[in-house]
Amino acid sequence: DTGVSQNPRHKITKRGQNVTFRCDPISEHNRLYWYRQTLGQGPEFLTYFQNEAQLEKSRLLSDRFSAERPKGSFSTLEIQRTEQGDSAMYLCASSFSDRKNYGYTFGSGTRLTVV
Amino acid sequence: QQPVQSPQAVILREGEDAVINCSSSKALYSVHWYRQKHGEAPVFLMILLKGGEQKGHEKISASFNEKKQQSSLYLTASQLSYSGTYFCGTEEGQGGSEKLVFGKGTKLTVNP
Repeated sequence: DTGVSQNPRHKITKRGQNVTFRCDPISEHNRLYWYRQTLGQGPEFLTYFQNEAQLEKSRLLSDRFSAERPKGSFSTLEIQRTEQGDSAMYLCASSFSDRKNYGYTFGSGTRLTVV
Repeated sequence: QQPVQSPQAVILREGEDAVINCSSSKALYSVHWYRQKHGEAPVFLMILLKGGEQKGHEKISASFNEKKQQSSLYLTASQLSYSGTYFCGTEEGQGGSEKLVFGKGTKLTVNP
């Protein structure tokens, strides 16, 4: 078990470009979460999946953000027409659906810089 | 609604104790605690469910007061390795919300 893997680790993009991040969760976990973290803040919820179903998306998330988890395995997060305010660390986490006994395992994140 | 953590920062000498608090204005199903070191991913420490149980993990323990919507993390005889930012994550609602809302974090520095 290699933990939660995220790629790329860093991404620098020009404003207006589209970017896509990938997350490979722990294979036994059926839940996958995307969070965003800015400097000095805690992780902010974006969306989550149970297997391949996207069950909730943050109301704060604009339509420029979309996430998929085909076949319930890896997940991708796409941001279209990036803005400078999108600059942040994007964290992926996975867990079992047994919420009483298991916490999240986070990946190391993808740091996005929009210039 | 984001939980409120206090203090925002604390500096200790090795061997000293610390308490970090997490307070929510909403009914909570559970509280998670995570530690994040600079440039690294948050690491899960423990989960507390409504019911007021206290949990321990070596010299780190936590409690959850369901009636007050508050949780406290206790670090005793701190070690240099305890340095980092501690986040509480709350799952809101009587039945839970299936996701965590994190506080802004408490930065803990342990000096020799």
